Amino acid sequence: QPVLTQSPSASASLGASVKLTCTLSSGHSSYAVAWHQQQPEKGPRYLMKVNSDGSHSKGDGIPDRFSGSSSGAERYLTISSLQSEDEADYYCQTWGTDIRVFGGGTKLTVL
Amino acid sequence: EVQLVESGGGLVQPGGSLRLSCAASGFTFSNRDMHWVRQATGKGLEWVSAFGSAGDTYYPGSVKGRFTISRENAKNSLFLQMNSLRAGDTAVYYCVRGGVGYDNRFFDLWGRGTLVTVSS
Repeated sequence: QPVLTQSPSASASLGASVKLTCTLSSGHSSYAVAWHQQQPEKGPRYLMKVNSDGSHSKGDGIPDRFSGSSSGAERYLTISSLQSEDEADYYCQTWGTDIRVFGGGTKLTVL
Repeated sequence: EVQLVESGGGLVQPGGSLRLSCAASGFTFSNRDMHWVRQATGKGLEWVSAFGSAGDTYYPGSVKGRFTISRENAKNSLFLQMNSLRAGDTAVYYCVRGGVGYDNRFFDLWGRGTLVTVSS
């Protein structure tokens, strides 16, 4: 079954860009992942799906500041022109045989 | 409006039972896989159960044999029957929708959650 690895924390300045990474375990580098955002005290929200070829498809209403890309077993979420409301936890998610899998999440701080 | 609204959470003693409900609206419920995902306070997300549009159900080992997921398509409703509850089941439980077609492997809509507290 796949395992997803995320750094526990990241930080970037207001107005800057940040790239969050989700790494797929060995043997699962062809898998797509979904990214979900969870703002403080709120439920998660679907952001996008990122395929192994780097193509991505966003959920309804997700700003153009959010984009996805891939390299090998890594799936990226890039947020540009950071705003204060982007401070949140970000989770990647994929699937296995009869299961769904989450990464541990990255807490993004906007400085 | 496309939304999922959970209900049924509360305080229950260890060993007790609780039934969660999720009301779906704004989309064709019967066409979608539906899931429950939970989150303990300060922790990450954990997938709890799935009910496929074809009638198949799936659970992780942590809840298998104790939790039962069901759905009533005529009422656009999803349920989670939780038995033999433990302190470790304390969490916010989210109702979650699977995507369309191949994307049913991913979640594309979340509810706001309902809190389950297992404590004596």
